[in-house]
Amino acid sequence: NAGVTQTPKFQVLKTGQSMTLQCAQDMNHNSMYWYRQDPGMGLRLIYYSASEGTTDKGEVPNGYNVSRLNKREFSLRLESAAPSQTSVYFCASRLSNSPLHFGNGTRLTVT
Amino acid sequence: EDQVTQSPEALRLQEGESSSLNCSYTVSGLRGLFWYRQDPGKGPEFLFTLYSAGEEKEKERLKATLTKKESFLHITAPKPEDSATYLCAVQARTQGGSEKLVFGKGTKLTVNP
Repeated sequence: NAGVTQTPKFQVLKTGQSMTLQCAQDMNHNSMYWYRQDPGMGLRLIYYSASEGTTDKGEVPNGYNVSRLNKREFSLRLESAAPSQTSVYFCASRLSNSPLHFGNGTRLTVT
Repeated sequence: EDQVTQSPEALRLQEGESSSLNCSYTVSGLRGLFWYRQDPGKGPEFLFTLYSAGEEKEKERLKATLTKKESFLHITAPKPEDSATYLCAVQARTQGGSEKLVFGKGTKLTVNP
């Protein structure tokens, strides 16, 4: 049982490049989330999807877009990467108001 | 504004030295409080959920408690493998009727042998 799988694990981008972070869960969860984690800032919500076909902005959505491809997959896109987007990105999922299950993160560096 | 504050930011213990981590919160409409453990290079791993004041949950050397304003994570006779960052998160109902999850910044625990 894989849980929440994120790819890639590491990525280095140059300013202005684009990329998509992939996330898939195999627990039949209805809600999926993207967070970023920075030193001293804690986990901050970027976007979430309460159910298949819906997405909503979180606390820090600027510079990002998301796609809920189906019930299993939720991707995060950086259209034009900036150094301020250097961070560790976590995808999470859950069923209704149950605890979040997290992936192991994507470590992104933008130079 | 809904806030979750964890203290201390970092804690060093000797193996066997019991202590407590604190998570204080100011939210309206508490719907649940979650504790997570995060190891370096990994995602947070769920430990406990608490829903109402007076509730307690235990797992091995960890015990979580909840009051109306704060939660404690008590660690009894810790071992080096308990070293990790412990995160607290509070689920609250917003004025608009939706729900949101607010995370604290975590307490980094180091247990020396």
